[in-house]
Amino acid sequence: ETGVTQSPTHLIKTRGQQVTLRCSSQSGHNTVSWYQQALGQGPQFIFQYYREEENGRGNFPPRFSGLQFPNYSSELNVNALELDDSALYLCASSRFRDGSYEQYFGPGTRLTVT
Amino acid sequence: GENVEQHPSTLSVQEGDSAVIKCTYSDSASNYFPWYKQELGKRPQLIIDIRSNVGEKKDQRIAVTLNKTAKHFSLHITETQPEDSAVYFCAASGDGGFKTIFGAGTRLFVKA
Repeated sequence: ETGVTQSPTHLIKTRGQQVTLRCSSQSGHNTVSWYQQALGQGPQFIFQYYREEENGRGNFPPRFSGLQFPNYSSELNVNALELDDSALYLCASSRFRDGSYEQYFGPGTRLTVT
Repeated sequence: GENVEQHPSTLSVQEGDSAVIKCTYSDSASNYFPWYKQELGKRPQLIIDIRSNVGEKKDQRIAVTLNKTAKHFSLHITETQPEDSAVYFCAASGDGGFKTIFGAGTRLFVKA
């Protein structure tokens, strides 16, 4: 198992509400990425944070936002929840090795929007 | 935008046979190509990766090949076992692991 943890494990929200998901990176990793994985699909890149700044974003609207803290833990915030936001949200922390980053995933947060 | 196509979507093999999964990427700036295995209800786990300066890499029963000219990379699993049954994802990322794009996944069934 990796050292990446996420909370909560499961969450049920109502359409229109806001949610905050949390991720603790593996020790020594200064980059964190967030992904949305719908049932039966591959993870979709939401955004990436490096040293507390967003340095890349996928095709997700601004109501998806994030933060990275000095200890490299991270939050994903989603405003105005929609039914299609129901998915597994994965964070992955990275370390630099041999010219590229290896990502290690957390166990995910299963979000259900009703 | 960047895209990674993965084939087949489902693969069924007999125990002991080989399995091959193929991916194509669109972004020529991609230089890091990891493969992940995801069992039902669990997190994706990195099983092998390859960087753009290498054409082939092997780790026991798993091997990955990369053809940068054709923008193709493949995963080869030999002597498959029932515990290899899972969903496998290929991915491609740019410099520094930036913006990793995943394929849609291949569901591998290994029949005992």
